Amino acid sequence: DIQMTQSPSSLSASVGDRVTITCRASQSISGYLNWYQQKPGKAPKLLIYGASSLQSGVPSNFSGSGSGTDFTLTISSLQPEDFATYYCQQSYSTPRTFGGGTKVEIK
Amino acid sequence: QVQLQESGPGLVKPSQTLSLTCTVSSGSISSGDYYWSWIRQPPGKGLEWIGYIYYSGSTYYNPSLKGRVTLSVDTSKNQFSLKLSSVTAADTAVYYCARETTGTTVYNWFDPWGQGTLVTVSS
Repeated sequence: DIQMTQSPSSLSASVGDRVTITCRASQSISGYLNWYQQKPGKAPKLLIYGASSLQSGVPSNFSGSGSGTDFTLTISSLQPEDFATYYCQQSYSTPRTFGGGTKVEIK
Repeated sequence: QVQLQESGPGLVKPSQTLSLTCTVSSGSISSGDYYWSWIRQPPGKGLEWIGYIYYSGSTYYNPSLKGRVTLSVDTSKNQFSLKLSSVTAADTAVYYCARETTGTTVYNWFDPWGQGTLVTVSS
């Protein structure tokens, strides 16, 4: 199985801050990396697919980059509605696997 | 747009079989462009992919579940189902169904997801 490791596991930030979350795969997954946002009591929501493609309807302050084993999710200017937990997920091979999550909290 | 909705018992006894159904609306489960997946999330923890089924009935299961999983599809009802046998407290989780885009795209992703249903394993 491909292991997905996210860092940090949590962070505190203020509205307007630039936030970066990293995700590392245990082997190369090319660009087969997706990012999801999950708010308490809700299902995950797709933000980014194919490492850098923004899902329709997702604000442009979200962006993704990377290829191979190292990936980044960036929120360019944190908004109040962005406080949530973020997960990366590889779709390179089965079984599909997720990172452990990064909780973004209000400072 | 396509919507998914999970249904099934919220409480299952240890050693019994957990059974859930996902109903797909505003779209056909028989489209060849999608896999239909189950994903679970224990309370306060991360996400675990359980497996997927194609409309034809072909399946892939996560080996971590050690042969306890069976997925099935009913195209006439636009539903797919999960059975997890010999459950223990460790199977207590929110269970989500989700559509995985495949087919004509290079990359795959899960979207949309159902709202999730909490299943508790307890006597």
